Amino acid sequence: AQSVTQLDSQVPVFEEAPVELRCNYSSSVSVYLFWYVQYPNQGLQLLLKYLSGSTLVKGINGFEAEFNKSQTSFHLRKPSVHISDTAEYFCAVTRRGGGYNKLIFGAGTRLAVHP
Amino acid sequence: EAGVVQSPRYKIIEKKQPVAFWCNPISGHNTLYWYLQNLGQGPELLIRYENEEAVDDSQLPKDRFSAERLKGVDSTLKIQPAELGDSAVYLCASSFGFSGGSSYNEQFFGPGTRLTVL
Repeated sequence: AQSVTQLDSQVPVFEEAPVELRCNYSSSVSVYLFWYVQYPNQGLQLLLKYLSGSTLVKGINGFEAEFNKSQTSFHLRKPSVHISDTAEYFCAVTRRGGGYNKLIFGAGTRLAVHP
Repeated sequence: EAGVVQSPRYKIIEKKQPVAFWCNPISGHNTLYWYLQNLGQGPELLIRYENEEAVDDSQLPKDRFSAERLKGVDSTLKIQPAELGDSAVYLCASSFGFSGGSSYNEQFFGPGTRLTVL
């Protein structure tokens, strides 16, 4: 089975500062990794995904994440945040392989960007 | 293209009352998911449909929860009777179906229904 740990429940940051949201996963098999964003009173939107290839993945809104297999991590980064980035961010994992595999989410990290 | 539609967006009921949530997936998506999102937690899968068949309902509390997707398009999730602990956000998502060697199909989420049980 797979599991996800998001190491920070809340991350406060000032506008235009860099930010890193940390995600570690556990799995005995190869996985796909995802970051989703949830704005207040909205559903989840996919920010980026790692399926294969380059371990540095670029997503929407200037976010990027790096897959580190040896450290089983998939941290999300942005060099300069905006007020509009204030939201809940979820890391998710699913087993790589044929057919359907359940998407397992972390508990989320609340990013609060202050002026 | 319209996204996943859910209604109602908010529902407040008293405990022991029944409640139903409706979801219309993205056109052409034959896989539909219902997730439960408790406060401060990530979504957890309740049930997954491939067309009209519930292919994974292992996490659905069947004593009080039921779901249907009669024509393989829209779906209804019902709770009867509701308990205080059912207060949460219920998310619906949809994706293309899984076939052959395809192992990843992006799930698109609706805005959710926030249920408050008093």
